[in-house]
Amino acid sequence: EVQLVESGGGSVKPGGSLRLSCAVSGITFIDVWMNWVRQAPGKGLEWVGQIKTKTEGERTDYGAPVKGRFTISRDDSENTVYLQMNSLKTEDTAVYFCVTNGYFDYWGQGSLVTVSS
Amino acid sequence: QSALTQPASVSGSPGQSITISCTGTSSDIGSYNHVSWLQQHPGKAPKLLSYDVTKRPSGASHRFSGSKSGNTASLTISGLQAEDEADYYCTSYTTSSTFVFGTGTKVTVL
Repeated sequence: EVQLVESGGGSVKPGGSLRLSCAVSGITFIDVWMNWVRQAPGKGLEWVGQIKTKTEGERTDYGAPVKGRFTISRDDSENTVYLQMNSLKTEDTAVYFCVTNGYFDYWGQGSLVTVSS
Repeated sequence: QSALTQPASVSGSPGQSITISCTGTSSDIGSYNHVSWLQQHPGKAPKLLSYDVTKRPSGASHRFSGSKSGNTASLTISGLQAEDEADYYCTSYTTSSTFVFGTGTKVTVL
């Protein structure tokens, strides 16, 4: 059974930083692209970014709202992907999901990040 | 990159078929056969219904079928059931090597 478990969410003030983790099991982690997708309260889904595999140079791509502030990384030895969020803004408040592949086939349960003064 | 355009809501009676559209541009849907559809029930994580326009993941119901014409993708739900009441999202790869989601459609079963 494929499982994705996010952790690290919480409350932070504007301008602050937070790091989310996503532990993956049940699939060959080194072979999968990993995405982060967010959903603001009562709103739709928004793609945050993606990291490709080690053999593809662990290339990262990001959505325009987070480019330059968020960084995705992966640790294949721990089957874990990370989302480092810096210079957080109130509009970054959302549930953050980690998701496998470009098909968005497996999803974590989500981790709530609240940015508020 | 602007969100793909979906109708805000679609409704139908049990047993009927409904179709949800997803309109993009030549920079996303029009350039790739890399469209996925997701279903999200309240308070739950989204679930993949179809990918690469027409393919279904293992275990997905055959009542859900995807298609594409030009810059517009569509999801048809056949034999509408009460449990199909949910939010539906499309997503596409783009020429900027990013992904874009649709605005979301709320399906109501009358």
